[in-house]
Amino acid sequence: GEQVEQLPSILRVQERSSASINCTYENSASNYFPWYKQEPGENPKLIIDIRSNMERKQIQGLIVLLDKKAKRFSLHITDTQPADSAMYFCAASNSGGSNAKLTFGKGTKLSVKS
Amino acid sequence: DMKVTQMPRYLIKRMGENVLLECGQDMSHETMYWYRQDPGLGLQLIYISYDVDSNSEGDIPKGYRVSRKKREHFSLILDSAKTNQTSVYFCASSLGTGSAETLYFGSGTRLTVL
Repeated sequence: GEQVEQLPSILRVQERSSASINCTYENSASNYFPWYKQEPGENPKLIIDIRSNMERKQIQGLIVLLDKKAKRFSLHITDTQPADSAMYFCAASNSGGSNAKLTFGKGTKLSVKS
Repeated sequence: DMKVTQMPRYLIKRMGENVLLECGQDMSHETMYWYRQDPGLGLQLIYISYDVDSNSEGDIPKGYRVSRKKREHFSLILDSAKTNQTSVYFCASSLGTGSAETLYFGSGTRLTVL
């Protein structure tokens, strides 16, 4: 299977600063790395993803970096706002073919203070 | 409007009782999932279903079984519930079975086993 480690578990930042969350994975065959955001009392929703043929992807203020050699990927939120306060989960897919499944990290609780 | 619907939202059961959690999706998605979410443990995969009557164990299937008789409907059954099955249960669906599929989550069922 796959194991995904996610750090930190809790992250507190000031509004307008940057926030970074790091994940590592074990299975070198993993090739898809999504990030899900879960607001309090809500369900998780996909916010950005990266595939193994890329090293960097940006959607507005969200940047994802992938280092396949180190088996590490990270989410960077620039210019944080209170609305970014939520749980964030990284995940890795353990197969390149069909019948794959995602393995999630344990989550990071981000609090953005105004 | 794409939707994954879970019923009920809240459920309280006594130890030893049977529990049925229902999930439906209106997107004709092939794959459906059941996850449980516990503080500090993230999202753990219980079962995955690739289509009608095509179900596979996830990472923590013990104590659970599933049923998928129609593509749009996926049930999670706890026979003789235990107190350690108190958790938030999320159903999700994805279009196909590949490794890079977006998961659409339902709103969750908060189950308390007394």
